[in-house]
Amino acid sequence: EVQLVESGGGLVQPGGSLRLFCEASGLIFSSPWMSWVRQAPGKGLEWVAHIKQDGTEQSYLDSVKGRFTISRDNAKNSLFLQMVSLRVDDTGLYYCARGGSRGLGLDVWGQGTMVTVSS
Amino acid sequence: DIQMTQSPSSLSASVGDRVTITCRASRTIDTYLNWYQQKPGKAPKLLIFAASTLPSGVPSRFSGSGSGTDFTLTISSLLPEDFATYFCQQSFTDPRTFGQGTKVEIK
Repeated sequence: EVQLVESGGGLVQPGGSLRLFCEASGLIFSSPWMSWVRQAPGKGLEWVAHIKQDGTEQSYLDSVKGRFTISRDNAKNSLFLQMVSLRVDDTGLYYCARGGSRGLGLDVWGQGTMVTVSS
Repeated sequence: DIQMTQSPSSLSASVGDRVTITCRASRTIDTYLNWYQQKPGKAPKLLIFAASTLPSGVPSRFSGSGSGTDFTLTISSLLPEDFATYFCQQSFTDPRTFGQGTKVEIK
């Protein structure tokens, strides 16, 4: 069974940092693009970032550029999101998802990890 | 950025109804359009990619159409498990923007 499990969320003060993790199982992790998508409480979905199979290409939502870094370790079947200078409006449930290349959807999702930015 | 606008934002329907949701892109995205279903407390699920292709396991009562800027998601005969929120997303260019969602509620 293909599975993605996120961790690393928590409560952090504005200006703080967090590193999110996504561990994959049941798939050839080095094959697909991988993405992060977030959802503020009671709101819609917001694409955050994605990364190419070999990690050589990344793209970010404008509001997180320079603050968030997506990376992956294919040998460990893991995806990461390093977040610094966090803001209150970064609060939300962060999902890891398989996919992100042009023309394809996000076909496998984790259960999400909650990030709360508050003083 | 490409803006994705869904309509309606919500609708009430009965089991057995035919339901259509529309998604409009602010500029052409060819057929690079995906649809997702999300139930409360759950992660989204991919329903359709490339405007009209159903992934394996998605029931055939779901269908998608459109190209350019205008797209539709149709549920041919609503079942109880279809009451959920539906989102469109363009995968034409970065950022991969989502629509605001359409909540399908029980009438």
